[in-house]
Amino acid sequence: DAKTTQPNSMESNEEEPVHLPCNHSTISGTDYIHWYRQLPSQGPEYVIHGLTSNVNNRMASLAIAEDRKSSTLILHRATLRDAAVYYCILRNFNKFYFGSGTKLNVKP
Amino acid sequence: NAGVTQTPKFQVLKTGQSMTLQCAQDMNHNSMYWYRQDPGMGLRLIYYSASEGTTDKGEVPNGYNVSRLNKREFSLRLESAAPSQTSVYFCASSLPETGSNQPQHFGDGTRLSIL
Repeated sequence: DAKTTQPNSMESNEEEPVHLPCNHSTISGTDYIHWYRQLPSQGPEYVIHGLTSNVNNRMASLAIAEDRKSSTLILHRATLRDAAVYYCILRNFNKFYFGSGTKLNVKP
Repeated sequence: NAGVTQTPKFQVLKTGQSMTLQCAQDMNHNSMYWYRQDPGMGLRLIYYSASEGTTDKGEVPNGYNVSRLNKREFSLRLESAAPSQTSVYFCASSLPETGSNQPQHFGDGTRLSIL
């Protein structure tokens, strides 16, 4: 089964960009890359997803390596409300592969 | 603007007791899911329902049963609770899957402790 590897924790200053890396060296051609985040005592919240091309939405950007073996979630200006656990997930139809995520701490 | 609603929010059971966790969504989604999250871990899929009337096993189905009561509701039942089932349970829903590109919308979870 395809799996993802993320750093356990990262720290950022408020209003600075944050780059959250994810390795998925065993990704298959039909796996989508999804990112979710989870605030304390809440369910995960969808952030962004992509297959091969880089993606942008109002929350973040997703940069996908050409060989698709890694990706980076980019928060352009971190705020205190962005402090959460960020999960990089490979999804193949109804199969999700959640890792343990990266805990992002944002300093004022 | 409820989204996905889970009840109860908290529950304590004794080993061997049974319980049903309830989930309802008001977004007219076809697909619904049950996950569990153990401390410090990511989510693991227990069961899912691609559409009303269908259910399928996920990664960790043992010890659980599900019912897709109608399009809105998807329940998870523990017939004989065990301490290993102590976890936070999340329900999610999404639009029909034409691929793997539909975001899932999650409830706030049910925190279940089994003594």
